[in-house]
Amino acid sequence: GAGVSQTPSNKVTEKGKYVELRCDPISGHTALYWYRQSLGQGPEFLIYFQGTGAADDSGLPNDRFFAVRPEGSVSTLKIQRTERGDSAVYLCASSYLPRTGELFFGEGSRLTVL
Amino acid sequence: SQELEQSPQSLIVQEGKNLTINCTSSKTLYGLYWYKQKYGEGLIFLMMLQKGGEEKSHEKITAKLDEKKQQSSLHITASQPSHAGIYLCGADPATGNQFYFGTGTSLTVIP
Repeated sequence: GAGVSQTPSNKVTEKGKYVELRCDPISGHTALYWYRQSLGQGPEFLIYFQGTGAADDSGLPNDRFFAVRPEGSVSTLKIQRTERGDSAVYLCASSYLPRTGELFFGEGSRLTVL
Repeated sequence: SQELEQSPQSLIVQEGKNLTINCTSSKTLYGLYWYKQKYGEGLIFLMMLQKGGEEKSHEKITAKLDEKKQQSSLHITASQPSHAGIYLCGADPATGNQFYFGTGTSLTVIP
């Protein structure tokens, strides 16, 4: 695709449920980032992939959060046993070069946990 | 991120006025980036600054990085409603891959 695509754009779920958020980066971009943004805050780093491997997952808040990128392209962020505090916009970004701040962002997936 | 402080937190200006947004770090920055975010949309890359004293312009937006590489300013000349949005500064980490963002500045331009 022309840009970074994220699905779903909106997800409403109940506390305790499992959620998957998908990110389809720009073709050829090897670096992929996940961020979480709460209202009125800047994006908070979650995880960084270089190719298929998670090069840095130090931003994942706890073991309920997990992300994969099995073929080095599409990535899925998985959240188990969702809590109300997980409600936020989850942003995905990709870049052609690693460790560059010139990132291309998707429009985000808004997660609401009731 | 608490490591990049932006000021002001929000700004309301009349169309045609100039304005400045600041981004301050307690540490020397390896690379400083400015992004714009419109409500409900992803971030759009504006500019990158890497050298102390560097200044870049794009249309009516100018960004500068100070000599110590700890503070950056974003200046908009003759603001327009299309400039409205949230401006975020971001920085390369000294180590690791946690490219991180500031707290954001919300800009409203009144026609």
